[in-house]
Amino acid sequence: EPEVTQTPSHQVTQMGQEVILRCVPISNHLYFYWYRQILGQKVEFLVSFYNNEISEKSEIFDDQFSVERPDGSNFTLKIRSTKLEDSAMYFCASSERRGGTQYFGPGTRLLVL
Amino acid sequence: GENVEQHPSTLSVQEGDSAVIKCTYSDSASNYFPWYKQELGKRPQLIIDIRSNVGEKKDQRIAVTLNKTAKHFSLHITETQPEDSAVYFCAASDSGNTPLVFGKGTRLSVIA
Repeated sequence: EPEVTQTPSHQVTQMGQEVILRCVPISNHLYFYWYRQILGQKVEFLVSFYNNEISEKSEIFDDQFSVERPDGSNFTLKIRSTKLEDSAMYFCASSERRGGTQYFGPGTRLLVL
Repeated sequence: GENVEQHPSTLSVQEGDSAVIKCTYSDSASNYFPWYKQELGKRPQLIIDIRSNVGEKKDQRIAVTLNKTAKHFSLHITETQPEDSAVYFCAASDSGNTPLVFGKGTRLSVIA
Protein backbone atom coordinates (compact mmCIF):
# COMPACT_ATOMS: atom_id res chain seq x y z
CA GLU A 1 0.00 0.00 0.00
CA PRO A 2 1.48 3.38 -0.98
CA GLU A 3 2.50 5.65 1.88
CA VAL A 4 3.60 9.23 2.36
CA THR A 5 7.32 9.38 3.11
CA GLN A 6 9.31 12.12 4.82
CA THR A 7 12.98 12.93 5.24
CA PRO A 8 14.85 13.39 7.44
CA SER A 9 13.28 11.53 10.35
CA HIS A 10 15.15 13.76 12.80
CA GLN A 11 16.78 17.17 12.38
CA VAL A 12 18.72 19.14 14.94
CA THR A 13 19.56 22.73 14.09
CA GLN A 14 20.78 25.91 15.70
CA MET A 15 18.40 28.80 16.26
CA GLY A 16 18.44 31.13 13.27
CA GLN A 17 19.38 28.45 10.77
CA GLU A 18 17.27 27.46 7.80
CA VAL A 19 15.81 23.98 7.55
CA ILE A 20 14.08 22.18 4.71
CA LEU A 21 11.80 19.27 5.46
CA ARG A 22 10.98 16.95 2.60
CA CYS A 23 7.93 14.89 1.79
CA VAL A 24 6.97 12.55 -1.01
CA PRO A 25 3.16 12.38 -1.17
CA ILE A 26 1.28 9.38 -2.48
CA SER A 27 1.74 9.44 -6.24
CA ASN A 28 -1.81 10.00 -7.47
CA HIS A 29 -2.68 12.50 -4.76
CA LEU A 30 -3.22 16.13 -5.69
CA TYR A 31 -3.64 17.88 -2.33
CA PHE A 32 -0.77 18.26 0.10
CA TYR A 33 -0.60 19.46 3.68
CA TRP A 34 1.84 20.26 6.44
CA TYR A 35 0.96 19.90 10.12
CA ARG A 36 2.99 20.23 13.25
CA GLN A 37 2.67 18.60 16.65
CA ILE A 38 4.48 20.06 19.62
CA LEU A 39 5.41 17.30 22.07
CA GLY A 40 2.37 16.05 23.93
CA GLN A 41 -0.04 18.40 22.16
CA LYS A 42 -2.54 18.14 19.36
CA VAL A 43 -1.84 18.15 15.67
CA GLU A 44 -2.05 21.68 14.22
CA PHE A 45 -2.65 22.61 10.59
CA LEU A 46 0.01 24.74 8.92
CA VAL A 47 -0.73 24.89 5.20
CA SER A 48 -2.46 23.19 2.32
CA PHE A 49 -1.21 23.15 -1.26
CA TYR A 50 -2.88 22.36 -4.57
CA ASN A 51 -1.99 22.99 -8.19
CA ASN A 52 1.34 24.54 -7.23
CA GLU A 53 -0.05 27.13 -4.92
CA ILE A 54 -1.09 27.53 -1.32
CA SER A 55 -4.80 26.89 -0.80
CA GLU A 56 -4.98 27.83 2.83
CA LYS A 57 -2.62 28.60 5.69
CA SER A 58 -2.96 29.02 9.42
CA GLU A 59 -1.75 31.80 11.68
CA ILE A 60 1.26 29.66 12.54
CA PHE A 61 2.40 29.74 8.91
CA ASP A 62 4.03 33.17 8.94
CA ASP A 63 6.67 34.71 6.66
CA GLN A 64 9.33 32.39 8.06
CA PHE A 65 7.62 29.42 6.44
CA SER A 66 7.35 28.53 2.78
CA VAL A 67 6.32 25.49 0.79
CA GLU A 68 7.33 24.32 -2.63
CA ARG A 69 6.86 21.46 -5.05
CA PRO A 70 10.24 21.64 -6.80
CA ASP A 71 9.61 18.61 -8.99
CA GLY A 72 6.89 16.08 -9.70
CA SER A 73 7.34 14.14 -6.50
CA ASN A 74 8.75 16.19 -3.63
CA PHE A 75 6.85 18.64 -1.44
CA THR A 76 9.00 20.73 0.88
CA LEU A 77 8.53 22.91 3.93
CA LYS A 78 11.21 25.53 4.53
CA ILE A 79 11.68 27.40 7.77
CA ARG A 80 13.93 30.36 7.02
CA SER A 81 15.23 31.30 10.45
CA THR A 82 14.32 28.74 13.05
CA LYS A 83 13.23 29.66 16.56
CA LEU A 84 13.26 27.55 19.70
CA GLU A 85 9.47 27.29 19.54
CA ASP A 86 9.65 25.69 16.10
CA SER A 87 10.78 22.49 17.82
CA ALA A 88 8.05 19.97 17.03
CA MET A 89 7.15 16.96 14.94
CA TYR A 90 6.23 18.04 11.43
CA PHE A 91 3.87 15.83 9.49
CA CYS A 92 3.19 15.93 5.79
CA ALA A 93 -0.13 14.57 4.52
CA SER A 94 -1.74 14.09 1.15
CA SER A 95 -5.19 13.38 -0.22
CA GLU A 96 -6.46 12.29 -3.58
CA ARG A 97 -9.12 14.96 -3.81
CA ARG A 98 -10.40 18.02 -2.02
CA GLY A 99 -11.97 16.89 1.23
CA GLY A 100 -10.68 13.37 0.77
CA THR A 101 -9.04 11.21 3.38
CA GLN A 102 -5.67 12.59 4.42
CA TYR A 103 -2.82 10.14 4.80
CA PHE A 104 0.02 11.19 7.05
CA GLY A 105 3.73 10.65 6.68
CA PRO A 106 5.91 9.36 9.53
CA GLY A 107 6.98 12.88 10.51
CA THR A 108 10.22 14.79 10.96
CA ARG A 109 11.19 15.56 14.51
CA LEU A 110 12.80 19.01 14.49
CA LEU A 111 14.82 20.19 17.46
CA VAL A 112 16.00 23.79 17.52
CA LEU A 113 18.79 24.52 19.99
CA GLY B 1 -13.25 29.10 12.97
CA GLU B 2 -13.82 25.53 13.98
CA ASN B 3 -13.06 24.42 17.54
CA VAL B 4 -12.98 20.74 18.49
CA GLU B 5 -13.13 19.63 22.10
CA GLN B 6 -12.25 16.05 23.03
CA HIS B 7 -12.90 14.10 26.23
CA PRO B 8 -11.53 12.42 28.20
CA SER B 9 -7.85 13.31 27.94
CA THR B 10 -6.90 9.93 29.39
CA LEU B 11 -8.84 6.69 29.59
CA SER B 12 -7.88 3.38 31.15
CA VAL B 13 -9.94 0.26 30.54
CA GLN B 14 -9.56 -3.43 31.26
CA GLU B 15 -8.89 -5.66 28.30
CA GLY B 16 -12.19 -6.77 26.83
CA ASP B 17 -14.13 -3.74 28.03
CA SER B 18 -15.44 -0.98 25.78
CA ALA B 19 -13.95 2.47 25.39
CA VAL B 20 -15.82 5.61 24.37
CA ILE B 21 -14.21 8.90 23.36
CA LYS B 22 -16.34 11.97 22.71
CA CYS B 23 -15.79 15.09 20.65
CA THR B 24 -17.80 18.23 20.12
CA TYR B 25 -17.36 20.76 17.35
CA SER B 26 -18.49 24.32 16.90
CA ASP B 27 -18.87 24.95 13.16
CA SER B 28 -22.20 23.68 11.85
CA ALA B 29 -20.69 23.66 8.34
CA SER B 30 -18.33 20.82 9.28
CA ASN B 31 -19.39 17.61 7.60
CA TYR B 32 -16.36 15.32 7.72
CA PHE B 33 -15.18 13.72 10.96
CA PRO B 34 -12.15 11.39 10.92
CA TRP B 35 -10.57 9.59 13.83
CA TYR B 36 -6.81 8.99 13.91
CA LYS B 37 -4.81 6.61 16.09
CA GLN B 38 -1.27 7.58 16.96
CA GLU B 39 1.08 5.13 18.60
CA LEU B 40 4.08 6.52 20.42
CA GLY B 41 6.50 8.17 18.00
CA LYS B 42 4.53 7.15 14.92
CA ARG B 43 2.34 8.84 12.35
CA PRO B 44 -1.39 9.45 12.92
CA GLN B 45 -3.28 6.70 11.14
CA LEU B 46 -6.87 6.99 10.04
CA ILE B 47 -8.98 4.32 11.70
CA ILE B 48 -12.47 5.41 10.74
CA ASP B 49 -14.28 8.45 9.43
CA ILE B 50 -17.85 9.59 9.03
CA ARG B 51 -19.56 12.12 6.85
CA SER B 52 -22.63 14.01 7.87
CA ASN B 53 -25.02 12.15 5.63
CA VAL B 54 -24.91 9.16 8.02
CA GLY B 55 -25.39 8.88 11.76
CA GLU B 56 -23.29 5.81 12.46
CA LYS B 57 -20.53 3.81 10.84
CA LYS B 58 -18.99 0.56 12.01
CA ASP B 59 -15.83 -1.32 11.11
CA GLN B 60 -15.36 -4.51 13.12
CA ARG B 61 -14.68 -3.44 16.73
CA ILE B 62 -14.71 0.27 15.95
CA ALA B 63 -17.76 2.46 15.48
CA VAL B 64 -18.37 6.16 15.19
CA THR B 65 -21.63 7.95 15.86
CA LEU B 66 -22.53 11.47 14.81
CA ASN B 67 -25.21 13.79 16.15
CA LYS B 68 -25.28 16.81 13.88
CA THR B 69 -27.97 18.58 15.86
CA ALA B 70 -25.93 18.47 19.03
CA LYS B 71 -22.64 18.84 17.13
CA HIS B 72 -20.95 15.89 18.72
CA PHE B 73 -19.46 12.62 17.55
CA SER B 74 -18.05 9.66 19.41
CA LEU B 75 -15.65 6.79 18.89
CA HIS B 76 -16.59 3.42 20.34
CA ILE B 77 -14.10 0.58 20.63
CA THR B 78 -15.49 -2.76 21.80
CA GLU B 79 -13.60 -5.77 23.15
CA THR B 80 -10.48 -3.68 23.68
CA GLN B 81 -7.08 -5.27 23.31
CA PRO B 82 -3.66 -4.12 24.57
CA GLU B 83 -2.71 -3.12 21.02
CA ASP B 84 -5.53 -0.58 21.08
CA SER B 85 -3.41 1.43 23.54
CA ALA B 86 -2.51 4.70 21.79
CA VAL B 87 -3.51 8.35 21.54
CA TYR B 88 -6.71 8.87 19.58
CA PHE B 89 -7.48 12.17 17.87
CA CYS B 90 -10.79 13.31 16.49
CA ALA B 91 -10.96 15.98 13.81
CA ALA B 92 -13.52 17.96 11.86
CA SER B 93 -13.60 19.84 8.58
CA ASP B 94 -15.92 21.15 5.91
CA SER B 95 -14.84 18.54 3.36
CA GLY B 96 -11.76 20.41 2.23
CA ASN B 97 -13.25 23.86 2.27
CA THR B 98 -11.67 24.22 5.69
CA PRO B 99 -8.59 22.48 7.07
CA LEU B 100 -8.81 19.54 9.47
CA VAL B 101 -9.06 20.81 13.04
CA PHE B 102 -7.97 18.25 15.61
CA GLY B 103 -9.02 17.64 19.17
CA LYS B 104 -6.37 17.47 21.89
CA GLY B 105 -6.30 13.71 21.92
CA THR B 106 -7.22 10.90 24.29
CA ARG B 107 -4.55 8.60 25.66
CA LEU B 108 -6.16 5.17 25.87
CA SER B 109 -4.51 2.50 28.00
CA VAL B 110 -5.85 -1.04 27.79
CA ILE B 111 -4.78 -3.03 30.81
CA ALA B 112 -4.28 -6.74 30.31
